Amino acid sequence: AQTVTQSQPEMSVQEAETVTLSCTYDTSESDYYLFWYKQPPSRQMILVIRQEAYKQQNATENRFSVNFQKAAKSFSLKISDSQLGDAAMYFCACRRGSNYKLTFGKGTLLTVNP
Amino acid sequence: NAGVTQTPKFRVLKTGQSMTLLCAQDMNHEYMYWYRQDPGMGLRLIHYSVGEGTTAKGEVPDGYNVSRLKKQNFLLGLESAAPSQTSVYFCASSPFGGGRSEAFFGQGTRLTVV
Repeated sequence: AQTVTQSQPEMSVQEAETVTLSCTYDTSESDYYLFWYKQPPSRQMILVIRQEAYKQQNATENRFSVNFQKAAKSFSLKISDSQLGDAAMYFCACRRGSNYKLTFGKGTLLTVNP
Repeated sequence: NAGVTQTPKFRVLKTGQSMTLLCAQDMNHEYMYWYRQDPGMGLRLIHYSVGEGTTAKGEVPDGYNVSRLKKQNFLLGLESAAPSQTSVYFCASSPFGGGRSEAFFGQGTRLTVV
């Protein structure tokens, strides 16, 4: 079984600043994938970024980047130049390579202050 | 392109009533999923389907039934609603089940059982 832990129920950041959301996971698999999803107040789940465990290079998508520490089983999300539209619930998720099932963390609610 | 559409968006049920949630996707995806989201719990998988005519149990299947008679539709049924089923329900689809495959989500259905 795999577990995903997000230890920060809530975080806040000033507009234009940088914030890091933490995620740790536990899996016995060597082939797995990690995801960050954003859920704004509209409830729509939006994929922010994904990381293949076999890749050493950290994934980046514009202002979003991850710090993937495989040995520590850590997968944090860094948001640079935070914008008001980044305010949302963020979920970390993990999937085994050949498996359908996404295992989600409990989420981190991010507030962006103007 | 509509993506994943859930019907209805909101519903209030009395204990013991039944209802069906409809999920429709227009991306020709093989895999479809039903999740429930509860405060502080993240998303948990109820049932899933790996193709037309197939269904399987997820993490929290009790009290729910599903059907996938057509590839594009995945129905979630509650035969006798209970207050514990008050939740936000999400449908998702993906082109295949594993790997880096992105799951596309509907906008959710907020169900209240009184």
